Amino acid sequence: AQRVTQPEKLLSVFKGAPVELKCNYSYSGSPELFWYVQYSRQRLQLLLRHISRESIKGFTADLNKGETSFHLKKPFAQEEDSAMYYCALIGGDTGRRALTFGSGTRLQVQP
Amino acid sequence: SQTIHQWPATLVQPVGSPLSLECTVEGTSNPNLYWYRQAAGRGLQLLFYSVGIGQISSEVPQNLSASRPQDRQFILSSKKLLLSDSGFYLCAWSVGGRPYEQYFGPGTRLTVT
Repeated sequence: AQRVTQPEKLLSVFKGAPVELKCNYSYSGSPELFWYVQYSRQRLQLLLRHISRESIKGFTADLNKGETSFHLKKPFAQEEDSAMYYCALIGGDTGRRALTFGSGTRLQVQP
Repeated sequence: SQTIHQWPATLVQPVGSPLSLECTVEGTSNPNLYWYRQAAGRGLQLLFYSVGIGQISSEVPQNLSASRPQDRQFILSSKKLLLSDSGFYLCAWSVGGRPYEQYFGPGTRLTVT
């Protein structure tokens, strides 16, 4: 069975500091990994996917198959980055059409 | 443009009472539909998903059920609520070929007393 683990419930940093939100996964096949974000009083939304290898709002995430990780990083945190972040996985080789989410990490960026 | 609606927004129900939460999507056809529960400190738990009318996949054993009577309507039900059913229920949809890009509704806060 596939599993996504986000070990930190809360991550608090100061504005301008680097941010790394950890995500580890367990999946025997070929996974696709994603990060979703939920800002205060907004709906949960897709932030980025590993296949795109893109930077969104300064965030990047690299899939490390050796360490089975997909950590989300940003070199300089901004106050508007404060939100709940969820890592998610879908089994790319099973045709399964549903995401498995981690338990989420709340990022607090202090001024 | 596509929109997703959920109602009610909040609900307080006694233990043992029935439940019906409704989700509808506008502006798209044949979407994949999903029900999640977000319990305090436990993140998002997938409950059900549907790839078409009458096609429901259940992810966890529980006293909840789901139905999809119409293409863009997804209903979450229970015959008898338990205290442990309290939580925040989210509906989401995606295009069939892009199940990873889900669009979430505003959610329903359910409190079972």
